[in-house]
Amino acid sequence: QVQLVQSGAEVKKPGASVKVSCKASGYTFITYDINWVRQATGQGLEWMGWMNPNSGDSGYAQRFQGRVTMTRNTSISTAYMELSSLSSEDTAVYYCARAPVPAQFGGWFDPWGQGTLVTVSS
Amino acid sequence: QSVLTQPPSASGTPGQRITISCSGSSSNIGSNTVNWYLQVPGTAPKLLIYSYNQRPSGVPDRFSGSKSGTSASLAISGLQSEDEADYYCAAWDDSLNGPVFGGGTKLTVL
Repeated sequence: QVQLVQSGAEVKKPGASVKVSCKASGYTFITYDINWVRQATGQGLEWMGWMNPNSGDSGYAQRFQGRVTMTRNTSISTAYMELSSLSSEDTAVYYCARAPVPAQFGGWFDPWGQGTLVTVSS
Repeated sequence: QSVLTQPPSASGTPGQRITISCSGSSSNIGSNTVNWYLQVPGTAPKLLIYSYNQRPSGVPDRFSGSKSGTSASLAISGLQSEDEADYYCAAWDDSLNGPVFGGGTKLTVL
């Protein structure tokens, strides 16, 4: 079955960077965009950006521009999201999600990874 | 503050029909499709409705979506205890150039 499996929880200090991985299985990885969405504890969902695994093209939400980088390794069907200059406000669960139709064309996210908790604390 | 507005909570009794609203603007719901997600606390969101009213395989037809102007609604008929979850609407926003989500509605089955 189609599945996205993310890397484990991370604890980082303010100012550091974090890199979360998302390994895809059950479909051809390069066929569909991977999006990243985060959720702070008790809060709603916030979209961070998308990445096309075939071309490597990406697009980011304005508030993360300059701080986020989305990449991939097609040989191991894995997408990555790296967020730099972390602050306590970045403490959240980070999800990857496949977009069967690109988000910019009204696409939806299905399935989602299990989530990766990133805690930023001094 | 979320771009799409949902009521923070909703409730109903087993067997009842309830609706959850999602209000937006011309730059999101008014001009783009709406998707709905369900999230059981502590787990990842799951796709519930896409392209206004399409259900992924495995989602019962008790769930339906609709849209009118700059608002959308999720209806759940024959409410069941396992429907207790948080529900989120989402749509692409042409001004923000990205998808936006509602703040989520916590559904309680009494």
